[in-house]
Amino acid sequence: ETGVTQSPTHLIKTRGQQVTLRCSSQSGHNTVSWYQQALGQGPQFIFQYYREEENGRGNFPPRFSGLQFPNYSSELNVNALELDDSALYLCASSLGTSLNLDPGELFFGEGSRLTVL
Amino acid sequence: AQKITQTQPGMFVQEKEAVTLDCTYDTSDQSYGLFWYKQPSSGEMIFLIYQGSYDEQNATEGRYSLNFQKARKSANLVISASQLGDSAMYFCAMREGFLANFGNEKLTFGTGTRLTIIP
Repeated sequence: ETGVTQSPTHLIKTRGQQVTLRCSSQSGHNTVSWYQQALGQGPQFIFQYYREEENGRGNFPPRFSGLQFPNYSSELNVNALELDDSALYLCASSLGTSLNLDPGELFFGEGSRLTVL
Repeated sequence: AQKITQTQPGMFVQEKEAVTLDCTYDTSDQSYGLFWYKQPSSGEMIFLIYQGSYDEQNATEGRYSLNFQKARKSANLVISASQLGDSAMYFCAMREGFLANFGNEKLTFGTGTRLTIIP
């Protein structure tokens, strides 16, 4: 039990639609990051938020956007869905200090599995 | 070039035997961290073990140990006395420059190894 919950667990969308995925982090976790995991692949970093500001982004187009809220919840929004967006989307949270010497403090949720038809 | 390479797509191991999962990495940073995660079918990434680039001792956590060979840029996971519950996907991951970037938690993952424990 990591204390990170994601919703919905599964969803199906059609190409061109928009989707919002949600993540609820542990209290006090200032950093949240999102990953996309395609079938049979390792997770790919999408972006990271620290205290409600984006402070790192992977190789994903602008139609992938996010928000982080003061209550330690966050959202991943994807516009104009494409077939290749079908994947497991993982949220991870941590205390987010530069001197985080306890690396086990990056906690993942169980993910939201998105299917785009 | 791949930053994290896991060359074993799948492995079958007899219960109670030890198993080594391979991981090589590529970075120009002096400061980095290497992680192993277990991912069961539920999807959650479960942290197993961590090795910092400046750690001189190999990390150990219960049945898990990390064989860190810095000059060869390898960070293999060793699971001793394997159990049926160890069957899962295993991912090696790296965080670079984490002492330089405030709040940087970005991990780069390999493609994983599917481990199956045979009774």
